[in-house]
Amino acid sequence: GESVGLHLPTLSVQEGDNSIINCAYSNSASDYFIWYKQESGKGPQFIIDIRSNMDKRQGQRVTVLLNKTVKHLSLQIAATQPGDSAVYFCAENRYTGNQFYFGTGTSLTVIP
Amino acid sequence: GAGVSQSPSNKVTEKGKDVELRCDPISGHTALYWYRQRLGQGLEFLIYFQGNSAPDKSGLPSDRFSAERTGESVSTLTIQRTQQEDSAVYLCASSLEHQYEQFFGPGTRLTVL
Repeated sequence: GESVGLHLPTLSVQEGDNSIINCAYSNSASDYFIWYKQESGKGPQFIIDIRSNMDKRQGQRVTVLLNKTVKHLSLQIAATQPGDSAVYFCAENRYTGNQFYFGTGTSLTVIP
Repeated sequence: GAGVSQSPSNKVTEKGKDVELRCDPISGHTALYWYRQRLGQGLEFLIYFQGNSAPDKSGLPSDRFSAERTGESVSTLTIQRTQQEDSAVYLCASSLEHQYEQFFGPGTRLTVL
């Protein structure tokens, strides 16, 4: 069936390095994607979003890349900091309306 | 301003009992969502309320699960005859009408013994 999934369930990076978290989706009709960050014991927090008519969007230290040809989404975090340690989810909006489908998540650990 | 709040933060119950989980969305947010998150897994959509429209219940896993919302304010998620597989964190989120960004509460951790 259709799904949103992540290639890497865990990722460890050295403080100061760049991090790349990947996400694959299978529904070509999805038109909007969001990356969320979830720290331990807290609800997910919005990081950055991108519409399907874009292939790149930048925020503060974060960049999201969308490759519709291969249905792939990535989140790049520059100069990763200990406070970036969390689980990162991608979510896709498949239909009209506000219903989103979330991937399994990638756990990012930043090594000081 | 205040964010989304949920209560209780933790709930331990015995198999077969009913539980009610509460969500207070951000004031003015017309959309409200419930998700279930099992340990180490992603978010599973349960139900979505938007204003006075009929709720989207397509994610509810069984008829033991139900949810209500009073106008555009508080919502309760009820699980009847709880089972051990219902153990999870139940997350609530709200958003403005026609806005995609969802603001999440801290969740209620439900443990069914």
